Amino acid sequence: EVQLVQSGAEVKKPGESLKISCKGSGYSFTSYWIGWVRQMPGKGLEWMGIIYPGDSDTRYSPSFQGQVTISADKSISTAYLQWSSLKASDTAMYYCARDTEGPFDPWGQGTLVTVSS
Amino acid sequence: EIVLTQSPGTLSLSPGERATLSCRASQSVSSSYLAWYQQKPGQAPRLLIYGASSRATGIPDRFSGSGSGTDFTLTISRLEPEDFAVYYCQQYGSSPRWTFGQGTKVEIK
Repeated sequence: EVQLVQSGAEVKKPGESLKISCKGSGYSFTSYWIGWVRQMPGKGLEWMGIIYPGDSDTRYSPSFQGQVTISADKSISTAYLQWSSLKASDTAMYYCARDTEGPFDPWGQGTLVTVSS
Repeated sequence: EIVLTQSPGTLSLSPGERATLSCRASQSVSSSYLAWYQQKPGQAPRLLIYGASSRATGIPDRFSGSGSGTDFTLTISRLEPEDFAVYYCQQYGSSPRWTFGQGTKVEIK
C-alpha cells in the first residue's frame, strides 16, 4: 500500500524554527515528486512547492518562495518542510502528497502547526 | 497563473438527489490535468477524478467528471450520506505547477 505518513502536531512561538516530515512507503520514493499543500483554518488548499527526491530538484509557488524550504533525504524516503522563523500567520494544516504526473495521490494525514505567543 | 473558480460556494441537497459542481478556469486547461478531490472534516483530501473524467481507484461510479477547455463539472448522481463534504478542483500547469479552486461545500438540506 502506498502511504505518506507525516510527523505530529507542533506548537511553536513566533520566531522559532520548525521542520516537519513526510515519510513515503510502498513505492519507489525517488521516482515521484512530493508536493506540500497549506490549508489555513477554515480555508481552501494552497500549493506551496514540490521536490523530486531522486535529485532534490525543487520548485516553489511564487507565494511561498523564500518563506519555506523544501528538502528530502532519499536514504530514508522522507521529505521535509521547514521554516527558519515562524509567524502567527503560518498557523495551518500542512499536507504532503505524491504527484502522479498531475493529480495528487495519496495524501499524508496532515501536520497541524500552531504558532502562538 | 490560471485561476479556478468553483460554483456554487455551497450546495444544499438531500440524500438521493443529484449534485452538479462547476469549475471554471481563467484560461484553457488540458483535460489531462484537471482533477477533483473530496475533503471531509478532519481528513486529508482524497483524489476522486483525474484527467477530467477518470475515476480514481475505489471511487464509486456515482461520481463522474466531464468538461474541457475552461469548463469542468463534477456530478454525483445520487447523494449518499457520506458524500456530504467539500470538493476541490485542481489544475496542473507550468507555474505555479498546481492551482486549486476555492472549493464547493455540499451540505445536507
